[in-house]
Amino acid sequence: SQTIHQWPATLVQPVGSPLSLECTVEGTSNPNLYWYRQAAGRGLQLLFYSVGIGQISSEVPQNLSASRPQDRQFILSSKKLLLSDSGFYLCAWSIFSGGSTDTQYFGPGTRLTVL
Amino acid sequence: AQTVTQSQPEMSVQEAETVTLSCTYDTSESDYYLFWYKQPPSRQMILVIRQEAYKQQNATENRFSVNFQKAAKSFSLKISDSQLGDAAMYFCARYGGATNKLIFGTGTLLAVQP
Repeated sequence: SQTIHQWPATLVQPVGSPLSLECTVEGTSNPNLYWYRQAAGRGLQLLFYSVGIGQISSEVPQNLSASRPQDRQFILSSKKLLLSDSGFYLCAWSIFSGGSTDTQYFGPGTRLTVL
Repeated sequence: AQTVTQSQPEMSVQEAETVTLSCTYDTSESDYYLFWYKQPPSRQMILVIRQEAYKQQNATENRFSVNFQKAAKSFSLKISDSQLGDAAMYFCARYGGATNKLIFGTGTLLAVQP
């Protein structure tokens, strides 16, 4: 069966510091991978998605970037964090099924607080 | 705009009773998928149920079922025999192949009263 991991679970960082959040998927090959952000009490905002190694699509212009160095690894980064980067970050995966991408499954998330 | 609307910010139900959460959406596509996700206090998003738009039969997963009205673009979730563990934020979402995105509603916070 497939599992998705995210770490760290919780992170407190000062403004201006760098960021690296990691997401890995087990039990599947060539998944589509996604990064979402959820502000407190709000819905999910898609930040990046990737359909393969080195292929990243950005949805929102921002202070963040994403990379996919391996098939089942997806990294969210920032060179200098802003206060507005605080939130709950969720990674998700899906597999291409039939004529369209299928159900997305989410990781446990990372709670980021920027002070 | 491709939107998903959940008009009930909060709902409450008595344990063992039935509750229905509403969702409407806007799309110009004929082929798409609809989902309900549950987000408990741990904040992990858990898939509850999914519906393919081309299927007329409403999806069912144990105590969870949907009422899919394609012409009305409505996709409500019914929870039967509500349990304390059902208390969570519930998000409706739509995926369309043309947009390659999962669009979420703003969520409904469900409280289950003992």
